[in-house]
Amino acid sequence: GQNIDQPTEMTATEGAIVQINCTYQTSGFNGLFWYQQHAGEAPTFLSYNVLDGLEEKGRFSSFLSRSKGYSYLLLKELQMKDSASYLCAVRDGDYKLSFGAGTTVTVRA
Amino acid sequence: GAVVSQHPSWVICKSGTSVKIECRSLDFQATTMFWYRQFPKQSLMLMATSNEGSKATYEQGVEKDKFLINHASLTLSTLTVTSAHPEDSSFYICSAKGLAGDHEQYFGPGTRLTVT
Repeated sequence: GQNIDQPTEMTATEGAIVQINCTYQTSGFNGLFWYQQHAGEAPTFLSYNVLDGLEEKGRFSSFLSRSKGYSYLLLKELQMKDSASYLCAVRDGDYKLSFGAGTTVTVRA
Repeated sequence: GAVVSQHPSWVICKSGTSVKIECRSLDFQATTMFWYRQFPKQSLMLMATSNEGSKATYEQGVEKDKFLINHASLTLSTLTVTSAHPEDSSFYICSAKGLAGDHEQYFGPGTRLTVT
């Protein structure tokens, strides 16, 4: 099975940077995903890491260390619309995703 | 990009009745679709994996006779909640696996089910 941990809540100021950590213990690993989810909506894809290192995509970056079972999502130049839940998900060899409980990010003016 | 739709977007039904939720891949063929359930302020929990033309694979603790899944075509999977009860009230989300070489799962917009 999969065990995925991420913080429950984070608060940051508009324009700041926030880093959301995710640690995982898995029986099989075939990639790590980050999703953004606004209340009452389906998740939207943010990033994908399968090899170690940093993937940058505009204001969002994601890092993976497979040996440490660790990833983070970095949100830069925070905007009010970034207030949402951020889900870390690990994929196994059967393409099944296991999700962490999600980190609620609140951006304050 | 790949688009997945769900119908209905929300439904209210009485306890004891059955509800069918459709998941469609609009512009690609999805041999594999996934059904998730999300309770308020909780994360997505995988219920089952649906493969076109074969029986669905259910996760541990999910009753296959209560949550009937049919994946009759490459663009349509359905989830039927049979004899619904208030505790089945939840947000049901489907996703479709992309084409070979595409690492993404494409999520539908979700269906809010309320059982009264």
